[in-house]
Amino acid sequence: GQSLEQPSEVTAVEGAIVQINCTYQTSGFYGLSWYQQHDGGAPTFLSYNALDGLEETGRFSSFLSRSDSYGYLLLQELQMKDSASYFCAVRETGTYKYIFGTGTRLKVLA
Amino acid sequence: DSGVTQTPKHLITATGQRVTLRCSPRSGDLSVYWYQQSLDQGLQFLIQYYNGEERAKGNILERFSAQQFPDLHSELNLSSLELGDSALYFCASAPGLGNEETQYFGPGTRLLVL
Repeated sequence: GQSLEQPSEVTAVEGAIVQINCTYQTSGFYGLSWYQQHDGGAPTFLSYNALDGLEETGRFSSFLSRSDSYGYLLLQELQMKDSASYFCAVRETGTYKYIFGTGTRLKVLA
Repeated sequence: DSGVTQTPKHLITATGQRVTLRCSPRSGDLSVYWYQQSLDQGLQFLIQYYNGEERAKGNILERFSAQQFPDLHSELNLSSLELGDSALYFCASAPGLGNEETQYFGPGTRLLVL
């Protein structure tokens, strides 16, 4: 079946850089999305990679390599407010089903 | 505020009962998605509607059904409720064909089945 695997938890300090990986097994998809979800809140869209390569949006960057079945979200200049769960997601070609990754809980320490 | 509204915010009911969750998408968005998120779990895609028609189906139980109305609001019906159905149910909307990848999530409905 289709699956997107992420590390369950990542810890970093304020001001640091952290990378959250997403490895996937899926036969075909349109692109890789990333969402942020604070405890008790709703997911919010962060970025989308339709093509291989790096997409930059402020302090956040996202990368996709279809040949390596791999993507990542890079967060720079970490702030306490970045403590949240992060999910990667894809929409399958053909079925249009959305699949979300297992999620990574990021803890930012002072 | 994403512009997506969901009602009710909280719902407490008993096993065997039926409930209806309601979602109003952002103005102009044609696609509506429903997701289930159990405690400390990821998001499970249930179903998607586009402009009133079912477009994609995920792991939605037969006890669950949904529809999207002409005014584009959507309802998710959960019947014969079981304890395991207790979860946070999110609705999300997206503009539509050519722009499905940016989904805007509503605040969710927290369902507790006792």
